[in-house]
Amino acid sequence: DVKVTQSSRYLVKRTGEKVFLECVQDMDHENMFWYRQDPGLGLRLIYFSYDVKMKEKGDIPEGYSVSREKKERFSLILESASTNQTSMYLCATSQSNSNQPQHFGDGTRLSIL
Amino acid sequence: RKEVEQDPGPFNVPEGATVAFNCTYSNSASQSFFWYRQDCRKEPKLLMSVYSSGNEDGRFTAQLNRASQYISLLIRDSKLSDSATYLCVVNKGNTPLVFGKGTRLSVIA
Repeated sequence: DVKVTQSSRYLVKRTGEKVFLECVQDMDHENMFWYRQDPGLGLRLIYFSYDVKMKEKGDIPEGYSVSREKKERFSLILESASTNQTSMYLCATSQSNSNQPQHFGDGTRLSIL
Repeated sequence: RKEVEQDPGPFNVPEGATVAFNCTYSNSASQSFFWYRQDCRKEPKLLMSVYSSGNEDGRFTAQLNRASQYISLLIRDSKLSDSATYLCVVNKGNTPLVFGKGTRLSVIA
């Protein structure tokens, strides 16, 4: 069974802080993704990675960066947190074949005050 | 046309009813299709893949209509525990999956 672990279930930070969200998977999946989910807007892709040290912008990368130094870990970084980044953040993984489904972590509910 | 479109609902149905959701997609080259289920304040979870010939998993049946570019999910004998949001998911070639915004189902006793 795929296990995708996000570092925090709930997180509260202040405006202007640098925020790190961590995601670790144990299934040796090549692909990893970061989404945010807001009411009425559905899942929106922030960044994704198909390999170590590789990253691609998703639909809403502004204000975010990512790091993939090891295959099993994909970090999302909010360079200078703002209140409009308050959201549910979801990490997902999948096997290298693009036809494979994605498996999600439990999510991190992030509040920026 | 949006890449993946779903009726947001909510669909309110009594226990035991049969309910069906449709989802349309815009990219005719799409090859993989899935239904996910998401409970309130939880992560999406894979419910089932959708195969060209249609497929069934217990009370759930998924079908694909390539000519009209839609997929469907049929739930028979609805249970209270089926209450959730159902997300339609489509691939568009060698890029990340595209998620619909979901259809909300409430099964009422």
